[in-house]
Amino acid sequence: GDSVTQMEGPVTLSEEACLTINCTYTATGYPSLFWYVQYPGEGLQLLLKATKADDKGSNKGFEATYRKETTSFHLEKGSVQVSDSAVYFCALSDYGNKLVFGAGTILRVKS
Amino acid sequence: EAQVTQNPRYLITVTGKKLTVTCSQNMNHEYMSWYRQDPGLGLRQIYYSMNVEVTDKGDVPEGYKVSRKEKRNFPLILESPSPNQTSLYFCASRQTTGSGANVLTFGAGSRLTVL
Repeated sequence: GDSVTQMEGPVTLSEEACLTINCTYTATGYPSLFWYVQYPGEGLQLLLKATKADDKGSNKGFEATYRKETTSFHLEKGSVQVSDSAVYFCALSDYGNKLVFGAGTILRVKS
Repeated sequence: EAQVTQNPRYLITVTGKKLTVTCSQNMNHEYMSWYRQDPGLGLRQIYYSMNVEVTDKGDVPEGYKVSRKEKRNFPLILESPSPNQTSLYFCASRQTTGSGANVLTFGAGSRLTVL
């Protein structure tokens, strides 16, 4: 079945450092790909998405590119802030629009 | 404000005592779903509903029940809770057509502890 694998955390960075969170997927079809973010004490919210190969999703300085050849959707940000501290989930949506989530990666940004 | 509302946000209960976690959305979404979040496992789907009176099992339905009598409400029922149901639960909803058809809106979560 479909699955998503993302790097284990926690990832701890200093403010203004560069961020990459790796995400790879396995799917039988051509899924849409997502990054959701969960801030402390809150539910998940959509951060960005890409619906086809080579699409780049971007939001709040974060970006991720849908790479079909490597089945990847890595999340990147050039300069993180303390307010970016959260749990980040990579997810895919295939036939029937069912979402399959990765295990989540905790990001901690220190000032 | 468009939102998904869950209650209670926190609950401690004992084994075998029936409980219900309510979920309500004000976006007229057809699709609603329940997930549980456990460390290292991400979110796993418990049950989902494509519309009123239409419900189906997700990946981990054992020990749970749901109902969808109205479009806006999708309660999660634990008839006889057990300690392995201690978890963080999320309700979510989305459209079934259009550009929003694969984007979920989540509630704030309900943290359940079963002793």
